[in-house]
Amino acid sequence: QKEVEQNSGPLSVPEGAIASLNCTYSDRGSQSFFWYRQYSGKSPELIMFIYSNGDKEDGRFTAQLNKASQYVSLLIRDSQPSDSATYLCAVTYAGNKLTFGGGTRVLVKP
Amino acid sequence: EAGVAQSPRYKIIEKRQSVAFWCNPISGHATLYWYQQILGQGPKLLIQFQNNGVVDDSQLPKDRFSAERLKGVDSTLKIQPAKLEDSAVYLCASSRGNRVAVDTQYFGPGTRLTVL
Repeated sequence: QKEVEQNSGPLSVPEGAIASLNCTYSDRGSQSFFWYRQYSGKSPELIMFIYSNGDKEDGRFTAQLNKASQYVSLLIRDSQPSDSATYLCAVTYAGNKLTFGGGTRVLVKP
Repeated sequence: EAGVAQSPRYKIIEKRQSVAFWCNPISGHATLYWYQQILGQGPKLLIQFQNNGVVDDSQLPKDRFSAERLKGVDSTLKIQPAKLEDSAVYLCASSRGNRVAVDTQYFGPGTRLTVL
């Protein structure tokens, strides 16, 4: 059983601070790693993906991947109240099948 | 470019009734996915189509759920008969399906099903 684990939160972050979200996965054969944002009552929206070890930056977001430790993280710099949402980590393996974690709820307080 | 379309957006039925959901993927996307998302959980893949063929339906409860994508474009997901535990949001997603390094999936707005 391929598993993706996330802390459910809520992760409370002051406005302007850095939010750090973590995700671990069980399958060493996992190929690509995605972060989706999901607002309450809405569908998942892609933030970014990563497939090589190291860091990948996109605007205020940075994804970090460590395949040896089976660990992927997302940093949100200069957090804004509009970043308050649930963040879903997802991992693909053969055939582009996505396995999702349960999500981390983030609350950014003004 | 239009996104993934789904209908209806909301559906309320009683247990043992049947229900159907419709999905139209992004134009040109060969791969279509149906997910079930129960409140407080991440989406779970039910079935994956590549054009009009099934790639993976290992997590589809086949005694009550069925899905088809006859012409390789839009798709329907049916539940018959529905159970209380089927209350969830049903998400459709699509991707290009090409042999690329990363085949990103894009989600539709979902259908929220309530079974009473």
